[in-house]
Amino acid sequence: GIQVEQSPPDLILQEGANSTLRCNFSDSVNNLQWFHQNPWGQLINLFYIPSGTKQNGRLSATTVATERYSLLYISSSQTTDSGVYFCAVERGDYKLSFGAGTTVTVRA
Amino acid sequence: NAGVTQTPKFRILKIGQSMTLQCTQDMNHNYMYWYRQDPGMGLKLIYYSVGAGITDKGEVPNGYNVSRSTTEDFPLRLELAAPSQTSVYFCASSSTGGFAGELFFGEGSRLTVL
Repeated sequence: GIQVEQSPPDLILQEGANSTLRCNFSDSVNNLQWFHQNPWGQLINLFYIPSGTKQNGRLSATTVATERYSLLYISSSQTTDSGVYFCAVERGDYKLSFGAGTTVTVRA
Repeated sequence: NAGVTQTPKFRILKIGQSMTLQCTQDMNHNYMYWYRQDPGMGLKLIYYSVGAGITDKGEVPNGYNVSRSTTEDFPLRLELAAPSQTSVYFCASSSTGGFAGELFFGEGSRLTVL
């Protein structure tokens, strides 16, 4: 199956800092999504972004499908940004495959 | 708008017991999924469904069964529970389309098998 690698595995930020999370995938995909899992375990869809760039407030994402990677940018980080960020991809078989996640800790 | 609703939120089972995790969505989504998340790990797909009456296996289907008699409901049954099934289970749904659309998750069900 398709391999999804996320980096870095862990990230510690001071409040107000910017950061970039990366997702590499091993094959062409029809679907790529970024999720945030908060410290209480809830999974929230951040972006549905099989290609191109999207922005939502302080978060933005870019997917370069031809080079098989996606980036999630967090600007002016806040403590509420803490949690685990997952990238998930799908090749047209309805099955989203998840990476292992990046754990982000934002310190006040 | 309730979205995806899972019950129960917590459950403790003894080895060998069986149970059903319930999942209901009110968004009229055709696609529904069950994932499990082990501590410190990503999500692994157990089963999925592309519509009522149609189900298929994901990465880790052993020890589980599903059914999809309606668009709204997608229950997951655990037969003969084992400690390896201790995990957090997430149900999810996505809208119609040529492939899996934006995924919406329930709040999760934490299962412990002792």
